[in-house]
Amino acid sequence: DIQMTQSPSSVSASVGDRVTITCRASQGIGSWLAWYQQKPGKAPNLLIYAASSLQSGVPSRFSGSGSGTDFTLTISSLQPEDFATYYCQQIYSFPFTFGPGTKVDIK
Amino acid sequence: EVQLVESGGGLVQPGGSLRLSCTASRFTSRFTFSGYAMVWVRQAPGEGLEWVSYISSSSDSIYYVDSVKGRFTISRDNAKSSLFLRMNSLRAEDTAVYYCARYNWNDGKAWFDPWGQGTLVTVSS
Repeated sequence: DIQMTQSPSSVSASVGDRVTITCRASQGIGSWLAWYQQKPGKAPNLLIYAASSLQSGVPSRFSGSGSGTDFTLTISSLQPEDFATYYCQQIYSFPFTFGPGTKVDIK
Repeated sequence: EVQLVESGGGLVQPGGSLRLSCTASRFTSRFTFSGYAMVWVRQAPGEGLEWVSYISSSSDSIYYVDSVKGRFTISRDNAKSSLFLRMNSLRAEDTAVYYCARYNWNDGKAWFDPWGQGTLVTVSS
């Protein structure tokens, strides 16, 4: 199985900050990676697919990059509604696996 | 806008069974339930996301995470735009919110979207 790791596990940031989250796969997955945002009590919401494609309706301050084993999600200017937990996911092979999540909270 | 609505969660004793349902509604002519693979994902209280199962559009390809193999069965009824998860021999560690989601694939890219609101399964005596 492909293991996904994320760093940091949590980050405290202020509105307007640039936030970068890293995701690493235990083996190469090409660009078969998605990023999701989840707020408490809500279902996950797709932000990025294919490592760098922005889902329709998602603000352009979100961006993704990387391929192979190393990926990043960047929020260019953190907004109040962005405080949430972020998960990466590999969709390269079964079982599809998620990273453990990165919680972004208010500094 | 496509909506997925789960149902069937609840409290069940260890060793018991439960059947979850997920129904697609408000789909437009651009979205035909029968044309998409579907997945179940779960989230234990306070924990992260775990993919549980996948079913292809025609039900000819099915996959499970190891921890539920032999106990859970995914199925679908395309005529009713519905997805199911039959869960047998339930354990305390199966306690979670269960989400259904549409599996999208296009030109070498894949993603889960949209997701349902989730249904809570609690396994406890």
